[in-house]
Amino acid sequence: EADIYQTPRYLVIGTGKKITLECSQTMGHDKMYWYQQDPGMELHLIHYSYGVNSTEKGDLSSESTVSRIRTEHFPLTLESARPSHTSQYLCASSDSFRDQETQYFGPGTRLLVL
Amino acid sequence: ILNVEQSPQSLHVQEGDSTNFTCSFPSSNFYALHWYRWETAKSPEALFVMTLNGDEKKKGRISATLNTKEGYSYLYIKGSQPEDSATYLCAYAGGTSYGKLTFGQGTILTVHP
Repeated sequence: EADIYQTPRYLVIGTGKKITLECSQTMGHDKMYWYQQDPGMELHLIHYSYGVNSTEKGDLSSESTVSRIRTEHFPLTLESARPSHTSQYLCASSDSFRDQETQYFGPGTRLLVL
Repeated sequence: ILNVEQSPQSLHVQEGDSTNFTCSFPSSNFYALHWYRWETAKSPEALFVMTLNGDEKKKGRISATLNTKEGYSYLYIKGSQPEDSATYLCAYAGGTSYGKLTFGQGTILTVHP
């Protein structure tokens, strides 16, 4: 079982609020990822990190930001939430040198912005 | 933009039936093809990763094959059980997106008792 955690699991929040979605892993993986998924749609990569102090934007444009100050921690922040941000957000991690970089996923955060 | 397609989108079978579904992906600059199982309210779980043309992997009643020349992979489930009900995702690694995965939409499998 993968040791990757996300909090909160569910979040209902009003428009304009700042939110931070937490993701942490205890496997020592160097790479971490954030995906966004709308119902019935693919997982879309919005951010990734190849190591501490490395962050890149993914294929899907997102107004969120991320940071990677510690190997195990990869939080995602929305400065001002809007209804269009309503979605499911999944965090994942992988080891560059193992399993052809199989990604291990957290349980996700379901975000609803009113 | 990489195109990874899965078919069918959804599938209903009876307990004991065998079933299979398809993932198609770009055949150029291929690195790896991953299969995941995603049960409701749980995390996506890695099933297989395949890298070589002709690869076959098996895990219990589930197996997968890979054809990198024509860009497709099949996932087979033999004797489906209700606990196999889940969304099955494939993900492609390759092209200029080395190190990142491009996911298909998934196949939703429902196995009826």
